[in-house]
Formats: sequence, structure tokens, C-alpha cells
Amino acid sequence: KAGVTQTPRYLIKTRGQQVTLSCSPISGHRSVSWYQQTPGQGLQFLFEYFSETQRNKGNFPGRFSGRQFSNSRSEMNVSTLELGDSALYLCASSLWIVGVSTQYFGPGTRLTVL
Amino acid sequence: SQQGEEDPQALSIQEGENATMNCSYKTSINNLQWYRQNSGRGLVHLILIRSNEREKHSGRLRVTLDTSKKGSSLLITASRAADTASYFCATDGSGGGADGLTFGKGTHLIIQP
Repeated sequence: KAGVTQTPRYLIKTRGQQVTLSCSPISGHRSVSWYQQTPGQGLQFLFEYFSETQRNKGNFPGRFSGRQFSNSRSEMNVSTLELGDSALYLCASSLWIVGVSTQYFGPGTRLTVL
Repeated sequence: SQQGEEDPQALSIQEGENATMNCSYKTSINNLQWYRQNSGRGLVHLILIRSNEREKHSGRLRVTLDTSKKGSSLLITASRAADTASYFCATDGSGGGADGLTFGKGTHLIIQP
């Protein structure tokens, strides 16, 4: 099976702009999670979608949002970008089984905010 | 907040030696997983150990879990240059992952040829 794909791989934006990142999960996986990775804070959970519904959200401001489509593909959006939003954004999909959640990660989108 | 905390933060060993990394966590877990990341790329899943398991093997990897001490260790035997990477432990709570995985800061492993 093809792995998790993320587009674009690299992105440069300026403060105040907005950005949309895309994630295609492994075929058959219905759960998609997003994570932010920075040198200072490490890997932090943003949110998780399952069957087009957001099931949980991490501790991030409302500028960070996401959605999931009927084919399980997911997008995350960051509005009014700040310098601190520069990070590697990772998407992970899982075949969610109660009690077990092995997540398979994509290569990430590296966002630089100038 | 960080749940898992890896120790050491960095480790440099000679090729062929064994590498041991430790992880501690704070709250009850369903599972603990180890991931590898090469140079800021995506994470690769290595192994998952359930809370009712004590030890698990996969190739050159051996993972132990001590729920009474809230700790886990990852042993890589006969290390290779290609094992150079950052290693993260990740835990999920009673939601089985629906609350997202909580990662530690990672151990940066360098294998000297």
C-alpha cells in the first residue's frame, strides 16, 4: 500500500498570511491526526479526525483548524500566520482499533514563516 | 505537555555496539510506541508494546515496559550507521489514541563508523 502523503513538502509564507496543508492517509485508514514539531516544543498533537469528525484537539489556538473529507483525506489550515508557526507539520493515519492506535506518519510539510 | 521523557538526550556509540534508550511517562497508558526520525523527516513506527506486555522483540530491537515504574527501554543490538536518527517514545491514554499520541523530546543516536 502507498504510505501517507503530504503536500506540499516545503512552504514559505509571510506573517499574517494563511496556509493550507494536505494529507492523504493510507488506503483504508479512517483516522488522521496532525502534529506540529518544533525544536523547542518537540512533537505536539494538533487534532485528530475520524469519519469526517474532529474527535479531539490539542492545546492550540483557534487559528489552527482542520477538516476531513469523505475519502479520509484531510487538510489543516493555519490563519494569520505567526513566526512561531514555523515548524514541521506531520500527518499520521491509523487503522483505529479500540485500544490500539499505531500511527503511520507522512514525510511532513516544512513551513517557514518570514 | 510532554508525557514521555527520553534519556539520554543524545548518545554516540561505535558501530556494532548496542544502544539503549530509556523513556519515562507520567500517567496510565494503553500502549507505548517507539518511533525513529531521520533528519527532520517523517516518523517511522518501530514497535508497539501494550500495557499488559513486559517485553517485545522485533529484529534487532528489544523493548521492555515496566508499568509500575512508568518506564520503557529500547535496545538496538549490533548498531549500524543507518541507525543514526532520533528516537521517540509515544504514549496513548485510555482513549486508545483518540486523544493523540504524546511524545517525548527524543534521543538523538549517532553511530560512529
